Amino acid sequence: GAVVSQHPSWVICKSGTSVKIECRSLDFQATTMFWYRQFPKQSLMLMATSNEGSKATYEQGVEKDKFLINHASLTLSTLTVTSAHPEDSSFYICSALNLAQRSTDTQYFGPGTRLTVL
Amino acid sequence: SQQGEEDPQALSIQEGENATMNCSYKTSINNLQWYRQNSGRGLVHLILIRSDEREKHSGRLRVTLDTSKKSSSLLITASRAADTASYFCATDAEETSGSRLTFGEGTQLTVNP
Repeated sequence: GAVVSQHPSWVICKSGTSVKIECRSLDFQATTMFWYRQFPKQSLMLMATSNEGSKATYEQGVEKDKFLINHASLTLSTLTVTSAHPEDSSFYICSALNLAQRSTDTQYFGPGTRLTVL
Repeated sequence: SQQGEEDPQALSIQEGENATMNCSYKTSINNLQWYRQNSGRGLVHLILIRSDEREKHSGRLRVTLDTSKKSSSLLITASRAADTASYFCATDAEETSGSRLTFGEGTQLTVNP
């Protein structure tokens, strides 16, 4: 149980285009999902917290107009990188909190999406 | 900014040996978690230790937490080649809401067969 999927697993796009990444909790409901970015050989940096039915909370330094987050259901959050540039190339990882297990504070991570912007 | 710092940054051992990784953090926490990441993959949750716990075991894993020193250690006993991965600690700070995690820089563990 507690499986999180991401789609696509990798994507290559041209500079200036927008890319949407999906994060789904497959066997549980998640009111809260998180989006992280990881550059090569570096740690994960939290970008934003996605709450079902409300606006996302962005970390300092993360442009909310560039990284659009939508959490329209209890099992799906999407991250759209708008007008992508080569410096946005990174590994994007989402995680989800199981609504039924809030007391455990355990985040379940997706497999990540490798974005390459040419 | 990253709260956690881990050492060593890289660790190379022989199969069967024990591996110890350390993590230090700066603020008060609700809990500290350890994750494993294989190259180019997502994270696998290993163990969570709460701020009122001092030690926790899970299979070949042993985690300690010293809140007075703001540090934690992860011990992997009888290591296997399959344990080769990056290991990250992550803290859920008391001052923040919503279970937001701050990750350490990670330790790259290589277990040689």
